[in-house]
Amino acid sequence: LAKTTQPISMDSYEGQEVNITCSHNNIATNDYITWYQQFPSQGPRFIIQGYKTKVTNEVASLFIPADRKSSTLSLPRVSLSDTAVYYCLVTRGSTLGRLYFGRGTQLTVWP
Amino acid sequence: GAGVSQSPSNKVTEKGKDVELRCDPISGHTALYWYRQSLGQGLEFLIYFQGNSAPDKSGLPSDRFSAERTGGSVSTLTIQRTQQEDSAVYLCASSLGQAKNIQYFGAGTRLSVL
Repeated sequence: LAKTTQPISMDSYEGQEVNITCSHNNIATNDYITWYQQFPSQGPRFIIQGYKTKVTNEVASLFIPADRKSSTLSLPRVSLSDTAVYYCLVTRGSTLGRLYFGRGTQLTVWP
Repeated sequence: GAGVSQSPSNKVTEKGKDVELRCDPISGHTALYWYRQSLGQGLEFLIYFQGNSAPDKSGLPSDRFSAERTGGSVSTLTIQRTQQEDSAVYLCASSLGQAKNIQYFGAGTRLSVL
Protein backbone atom coordinates (compact mmCIF):
# COMPACT_ATOMS: atom_id res chain seq x y z
CA LEU A 1 0.00 0.00 0.00
CA ALA A 2 1.07 3.57 -0.68
CA LYS A 3 2.98 5.29 2.08
CA THR A 4 1.35 8.45 3.43
CA THR A 5 3.02 11.66 4.57
CA GLN A 6 1.30 14.25 6.71
CA PRO A 7 2.46 17.06 9.02
CA ILE A 8 3.47 16.01 12.50
CA SER A 9 1.56 18.82 14.17
CA MET A 10 -0.75 21.74 13.52
CA ASP A 11 -2.18 24.50 15.65
CA SER A 12 -5.42 26.38 15.21
CA TYR A 13 -7.85 28.57 17.11
CA GLU A 14 -11.46 27.93 17.87
CA GLY A 15 -13.81 28.79 15.05
CA GLN A 16 -11.22 28.47 12.30
CA GLU A 17 -11.26 26.01 9.44
CA VAL A 18 -8.45 23.49 9.54
CA ASN A 19 -7.06 21.73 6.50
CA ILE A 20 -4.72 18.77 6.94
CA THR A 21 -3.03 17.60 3.77
CA CYS A 22 -1.74 14.11 3.22
CA SER A 23 0.41 12.93 0.34
CA HIS A 24 0.21 9.40 -1.07
CA ASN A 25 2.15 9.49 -4.31
CA ASN A 26 2.01 5.78 -5.04
CA ILE A 27 -1.70 5.23 -4.49
CA ALA A 28 -3.12 2.38 -6.58
CA THR A 29 -6.25 2.38 -8.70
CA ASN A 30 -8.37 0.42 -6.22
CA ASP A 31 -7.15 2.21 -3.08
CA TYR A 32 -9.27 4.50 -0.94
CA ILE A 33 -8.20 7.35 1.32
CA THR A 34 -9.44 7.01 4.87
CA TRP A 35 -9.07 9.32 7.86
CA TYR A 36 -9.27 8.43 11.54
CA GLN A 37 -9.30 10.63 14.63
CA GLN A 38 -7.86 9.60 17.98
CA PHE A 39 -8.36 11.27 21.35
CA PRO A 40 -6.12 10.46 24.32
CA SER A 41 -7.01 7.19 26.02
CA GLN A 42 -9.35 6.17 23.21
CA GLY A 43 -9.12 4.03 20.12
CA PRO A 44 -9.10 5.64 16.67
CA ARG A 45 -12.46 6.71 15.32
CA PHE A 46 -13.35 6.56 11.62
CA ILE A 47 -14.05 10.04 10.25
CA ILE A 48 -14.36 9.87 6.49
CA GLN A 49 -13.37 7.90 3.43
CA GLY A 50 -13.18 8.84 -0.22
CA TYR A 51 -11.96 7.74 -3.62
CA LYS A 52 -11.99 10.91 -5.70
CA THR A 53 -13.30 14.48 -5.84
CA LYS A 54 -15.11 15.54 -2.68
CA VAL A 55 -16.82 13.71 0.14
CA THR A 56 -18.66 15.47 2.95
CA ASN A 57 -20.30 14.21 6.10
CA GLU A 58 -21.46 15.78 9.35
CA VAL A 59 -17.93 15.87 10.72
CA ALA A 60 -15.58 16.77 7.88
CA SER A 61 -14.95 17.12 4.17
CA LEU A 62 -12.38 15.25 2.16
CA PHE A 63 -10.96 16.74 -1.01
CA ILE A 64 -9.12 14.49 -3.46
CA PRO A 65 -7.67 15.94 -6.69
CA ALA A 66 -7.89 14.14 -9.98
CA ASP A 67 -4.41 12.60 -9.75
CA ARG A 68 -5.24 11.26 -6.23
CA LYS A 69 -1.64 11.72 -5.10
CA SER A 70 -2.77 13.82 -2.17
CA SER A 71 -5.87 14.52 -0.14
CA THR A 72 -7.03 17.22 2.27
CA LEU A 73 -9.15 16.70 5.34
CA SER A 74 -11.11 19.84 6.12
CA LEU A 75 -12.58 20.48 9.56
CA PRO A 76 -14.96 23.45 9.58
CA ARG A 77 -15.03 25.81 12.57
CA VAL A 78 -12.98 23.71 14.95
CA SER A 79 -13.55 23.69 18.68
CA LEU A 80 -11.35 22.71 21.61
CA SER A 81 -12.84 19.22 21.45
CA ASP A 82 -11.32 18.69 18.00
CA THR A 83 -7.87 18.54 19.59
CA ALA A 84 -6.72 15.05 18.63
CA VAL A 85 -4.39 13.05 16.42
CA TYR A 86 -5.59 12.67 12.85
CA TYR A 87 -4.40 9.74 10.75
CA CYS A 88 -4.46 9.54 6.98
CA LEU A 89 -4.49 5.99 5.63
CA VAL A 90 -4.56 4.37 2.23
CA THR A 91 -6.87 1.36 2.34
CA ARG A 92 -7.32 -1.25 -0.36
CA GLY A 93 -10.85 -1.28 -1.64
CA SER A 94 -10.91 -4.91 -2.66
CA THR A 95 -9.34 -6.66 0.29
CA LEU A 96 -9.46 -6.78 4.06
CA GLY A 97 -6.67 -6.95 6.57
CA ARG A 98 -4.52 -4.67 8.60
CA LEU A 99 -4.60 -0.91 8.50
CA TYR A 100 -1.28 0.89 8.26
CA PHE A 101 -1.15 3.79 10.67
CA GLY A 102 1.64 6.34 10.54
CA ARG A 103 2.40 8.86 13.26
CA GLY A 104 -0.55 11.07 12.34
CA THR A 105 -1.00 14.81 12.77
CA GLN A 106 -1.44 16.21 16.26
CA LEU A 107 -3.99 19.00 15.94
CA THR A 108 -4.15 21.39 18.87
CA VAL A 109 -6.99 23.88 19.01
CA TRP A 110 -6.48 26.92 21.24
CA PRO A 111 -9.15 29.13 22.77
CA GLY B 1 -23.51 -4.07 21.79
CA ALA B 2 -23.30 -0.60 20.35
CA GLY B 3 -19.54 -0.65 19.93
CA VAL B 4 -16.41 -2.72 20.37
CA SER B 5 -15.98 -3.61 24.03
CA GLN B 6 -12.62 -4.46 25.59
CA SER B 7 -11.83 -5.72 29.04
CA PRO B 8 -10.20 -5.04 31.32
CA SER B 9 -9.70 -1.35 30.63
CA ASN B 10 -6.51 -1.40 32.70
CA LYS B 11 -4.27 -4.27 33.72
CA VAL B 12 -1.23 -4.12 35.93
CA THR B 13 0.84 -7.26 36.15
CA GLU B 14 4.25 -8.41 37.27
CA LYS B 15 6.97 -9.40 34.89
CA GLY B 16 6.71 -13.08 34.05
CA LYS B 17 2.97 -13.41 34.63
CA ASP B 18 0.47 -14.36 31.91
CA VAL B 19 -2.35 -12.00 30.93
CA GLU B 20 -5.53 -12.36 28.92
CA LEU B 21 -7.18 -9.48 27.15
CA ARG B 22 -10.73 -9.74 25.85
CA CYS B 23 -12.45 -8.15 22.88
CA ASP B 24 -16.17 -8.24 22.14
CA PRO B 25 -16.74 -6.95 18.59
CA ILE B 26 -19.74 -5.18 17.16
CA SER B 27 -22.52 -7.69 16.57
CA GLY B 28 -22.45 -9.01 13.03
CA HIS B 29 -18.87 -7.96 12.32
CA THR B 30 -17.02 -10.90 10.83
CA ALA B 31 -13.53 -9.40 10.87
CA LEU B 32 -11.61 -8.66 14.07
CA TYR B 33 -8.21 -7.05 14.51
CA TRP B 34 -5.72 -6.59 17.32
CA TYR B 35 -3.26 -3.69 17.40
CA ARG B 36 -1.06 -2.24 20.08
CA GLN B 37 0.05 1.31 20.68
CA SER B 38 3.01 2.30 22.78
CA LEU B 39 3.18 5.72 24.38
CA GLY B 40 3.30 8.42 21.72
CA GLN B 41 3.56 5.90 18.90
CA GLY B 42 1.35 4.87 16.02
CA LEU B 43 -0.61 1.66 15.92
CA GLU B 44 1.21 -1.62 15.44
CA PHE B 45 -0.77 -4.44 13.85
CA LEU B 46 -0.77 -7.78 15.67
CA ILE B 47 -3.31 -10.19 14.18
CA TYR B 48 -6.45 -10.30 12.06
CA PHE B 49 -9.36 -12.75 12.19
CA GLN B 50 -11.94 -13.45 9.55
CA GLY B 51 -14.53 -15.52 11.35
CA ASN B 52 -12.56 -17.85 13.62
CA SER B 53 -9.58 -18.11 11.29
CA ALA B 54 -6.51 -15.89 11.38
CA PRO B 55 -5.36 -15.19 7.80
CA ASP B 56 -2.71 -12.78 9.04
CA LYS B 57 -0.88 -13.16 12.33
CA SER B 58 2.39 -11.84 11.06
CA GLY B 59 2.37 -8.93 13.50
CA LEU B 60 2.61 -11.02 16.66
CA PRO B 61 6.00 -9.97 18.06
CA SER B 62 6.97 -13.32 19.59
CA ASP B 63 5.66 -16.77 20.42
CA ARG B 64 4.65 -15.43 23.82
CA PHE B 65 1.72 -13.78 22.06
CA SER B 66 -1.30 -15.75 20.90
CA ALA B 67 -4.91 -15.02 20.10
CA GLU B 68 -8.05 -16.95 19.46
CA ARG B 69 -11.56 -16.21 18.40
CA THR B 70 -14.49 -18.49 19.09
CA GLY B 71 -17.99 -18.52 17.67
CA GLY B 72 -17.05 -15.78 15.25
CA SER B 73 -17.42 -13.28 18.05
CA VAL B 74 -15.32 -12.78 21.19
CA SER B 75 -11.56 -12.83 20.89
CA THR B 76 -8.88 -13.27 23.53
CA LEU B 77 -5.29 -12.07 23.22
CA THR B 78 -2.94 -13.92 25.56
CA ILE B 79 0.53 -12.77 26.48
CA GLN B 80 2.63 -15.32 28.32
CA ARG B 81 5.58 -14.52 30.57
CA THR B 82 5.03 -10.79 30.21
CA GLN B 83 8.00 -8.47 29.82
CA GLN B 84 8.25 -4.75 30.51
CA GLU B 85 8.41 -4.02 26.78
CA ASP B 86 4.91 -5.50 26.47
CA SER B 87 3.53 -2.44 28.28
CA ALA B 88 1.25 -0.67 25.83
CA VAL B 89 -2.39 -0.05 25.00
CA TYR B 90 -3.86 -3.06 23.22
CA LEU B 91 -6.60 -2.07 20.82
CA CYS B 92 -9.22 -4.26 19.19
CA ALA B 93 -11.19 -3.34 16.09
CA SER B 94 -13.91 -5.01 14.09
CA SER B 95 -15.35 -4.55 10.64
CA LEU B 96 -18.13 -5.94 8.51
CA GLY B 97 -15.61 -7.84 6.45
CA GLN B 98 -16.57 -6.03 3.28
CA ALA B 99 -14.69 -3.91 0.84
CA LYS B 100 -13.35 -0.51 1.91
CA ASN B 101 -12.31 -2.05 5.24
CA ILE B 102 -13.69 0.52 7.69
CA GLN B 103 -12.63 -0.64 11.13
CA TYR B 104 -14.26 0.36 14.40
CA PHE B 105 -12.06 0.44 17.47
CA GLY B 106 -12.60 -0.22 21.14
CA ALA B 107 -11.17 1.97 23.88
CA GLY B 108 -8.32 -0.44 24.47
CA THR B 109 -6.71 -2.22 27.41
CA ARG B 110 -3.82 -0.40 29.00
CA LEU B 111 -1.28 -3.02 30.08
CA SER B 112 1.44 -2.12 32.53
CA VAL B 113 4.12 -4.70 33.28
CA LEU B 114 6.06 -3.93 36.43
